[in-house]
Amino acid sequence: QKEVEQDPGPLSVPEGAIVSLNCTYSNSAFQYFMWYRQYSRKGPELLMYTYSSGNKEDGRFTAQVDKSSKYISLFIRDSQPSDSATYLCAMTYTGRRALTFGSGTRLQVQP
Amino acid sequence: GAVVSQHPSRVICKSGTSVKIECRSLDFQATTMFWYRQFPKQSLMLMATSNEGSKATYEQGVEKDKFLINHASLTLSTLTVTSAHPEDSSFYICSAYHSMNTEAFFGQGTRLTVV
Repeated sequence: QKEVEQDPGPLSVPEGAIVSLNCTYSNSAFQYFMWYRQYSRKGPELLMYTYSSGNKEDGRFTAQVDKSSKYISLFIRDSQPSDSATYLCAMTYTGRRALTFGSGTRLQVQP
Repeated sequence: GAVVSQHPSRVICKSGTSVKIECRSLDFQATTMFWYRQFPKQSLMLMATSNEGSKATYEQGVEKDKFLINHASLTLSTLTVTSAHPEDSSFYICSAYHSMNTEAFFGQGTRLTVV
């Protein structure tokens, strides 16, 4: 079993839709949770960084962490074609700076 | 924000040759850098942790003699793929932490194709 599970998609939505991306994890030691956006053949770009359970909002993006269920989500409101990319969840814990990534979800926002 | 530069962005080499990939932190010092490998439509898999002035720490299953890592300064880590074979073809990405925060910055990646 992988430490971090993420539905690979692809996920296709119309412009303006609300997108929900999710990851589950098995290692209860994970404390820090991140969402990265990766365009084709580019390095990942950090979107959201959360530590505790609950919600964190930044513009059109909301990150949600439920440690009791070992489940994290990223919501994108008013999705745009420029949001089309692969979204990777990543996580780590105190004392470990390397990240454990999910497999990534490919998102396509149709104009 | 902090910038990590990776070079080259794309390289094609013949089987049996060696290829060096550079990862530089442009505006901060990084005592630790990380090298990841990404196969098509798959996640980033940690290969090794590069420590300035000391030996790299390799993940299980990664051949240290094949993937040579050197971190000779606080702003530069290099990954050399020795005696490359077609199965080494992949996307290699480095990351570094600014010592003042907990955010990892990633390079733009290197697409290696071994023919």
